[in-house]
Amino acid sequence: LAKTTQPISMDSYEGQEVNITCSHNNIATNDYITWYQQFPSQGPRFIIQGYKTKVTNEVASLFIPADRKSSTLSLPRVSLSDTAVYYCLVAPNQAGTALIFGKGTTLSVSS
Amino acid sequence: NAGVTQTPKFRVLKTGQSMTLLCAQDMNHEYMYWYRQDPGMGLRLIHYSVGEGTTAKGEVPDGYNVSRLKKQNFLLGLESAAPSQTSVYFCASSYSTGGPPDTQYFGPGTRLTVL
Repeated sequence: LAKTTQPISMDSYEGQEVNITCSHNNIATNDYITWYQQFPSQGPRFIIQGYKTKVTNEVASLFIPADRKSSTLSLPRVSLSDTAVYYCLVAPNQAGTALIFGKGTTLSVSS
Repeated sequence: NAGVTQTPKFRVLKTGQSMTLLCAQDMNHEYMYWYRQDPGMGLRLIHYSVGEGTTAKGEVPDGYNVSRLKKQNFLLGLESAAPSQTSVYFCASSYSTGGPPDTQYFGPGTRLTVL
């Protein structure tokens, strides 16, 4: 599985847009990029997944450039409740693949 | 649906004791996973299962055993607990759509302390 690199921590204020960039230089052709969110004392929760270009859902947007060597998770107008750890993962589209979680990015949102 | 549940929520063991953590899911998922999370660390995969009766090793399998006798349950065993196994343990399950990688659904975690 391709290794990912993302910032250890980020700080933001309520109402701002937050962009977390993840580097995955060795991504393979059949790999997808997936982001999970983890609140304190809870298990991780799936946020968004994409293969190329842009994906948007009710929670976030995911931007993937043409070379797919990086990706950016965008959280619009964050609130205090978005304070969490965000994990970027790369995994192939084959059934039952175990995911590799790194240390993630700890996002702290202040008022 | 209860989703993924874990039993117990908290446990304190003495070095050398044994215990079993139970994970149950009611979503009819084929795949199940056990992770551990230590302070300031991401999740590390211990063991996983791609179906009833099957198990496979993950990143950090030493000191743990698992069993998947029923599709809905995945048990994690510690035969002789060590302080290094103090951690929060998360169970997850997923199913394959035949397309993009599975979404894993996580349980609330079990906080284990080994003295």
